[in-house]
Amino acid sequence: GAVVSQHPSWVICKSGTSVKIECRSLDFQATTMFWYRQFPKQSLMLMATSNEGSKATYEQGVEKDKFLINHASLTLSTLTVTSAHPEDSSFYICSIPSEGREKLFFGSGTQLSVL
Amino acid sequence: AQSVTQLDSQVPVFEEAPVELRCNYSSSVSVYLFWYVQYPNQGLQLLLKYLSGSTLVESINGFEAEFNKSQTSFHLRKPSVHISDTAEYFCAVSERPNTNAGKSTFGDGTTLTVKP
Repeated sequence: GAVVSQHPSWVICKSGTSVKIECRSLDFQATTMFWYRQFPKQSLMLMATSNEGSKATYEQGVEKDKFLINHASLTLSTLTVTSAHPEDSSFYICSIPSEGREKLFFGSGTQLSVL
Repeated sequence: AQSVTQLDSQVPVFEEAPVELRCNYSSSVSVYLFWYVQYPNQGLQLLLKYLSGSTLVESINGFEAEFNKSQTSFHLRKPSVHISDTAEYFCAVSERPNTNAGKSTFGDGTTLTVKP
């Protein structure tokens, strides 16, 4: 069965609004979760590492004020795209490392379209 | 730092034909290697991985990949493909001994299209 639940699977919003994406670990407690962005026909780009109980670690070039990450519990991390603009339209994916941290379980992704 | 090169962006094949998706990597340290598959509008799923031991690893749906250290490659093969294998395939590498899989580097992906 699924290990990671990501919701919503798709969302359309108006420019200037904020969108929240949830990533839940279903099988085990996850102190770390990862957020990626994927453009069409391109690979995954790691945006940030979500750490339970502490601040997220952002990759270089990713605006932390634009992409707010909250990891308030061991089973839930949220990514909020604030004041979304059309250029934020993309496929966002979360992942959770296995308990041995040697592989990743991915969410089903969220297609964000900003009008 | 490591990098991954998937040599073919698109691979069209006919059903029941063999296929090879090529992946080369570079790294200054030893690595773990992965192949992930992404079906349309879905997240990635781990297909197979090489951590240690036998250099030939297999998946449950007939794919196999061989780690070749001298050629720094981890090509994915299947002797006979099905229509349902149509998907995007990503090769990924993460450095030992840091088992932080989230820091994996992904290739740009190969679109496998299986035609009837």
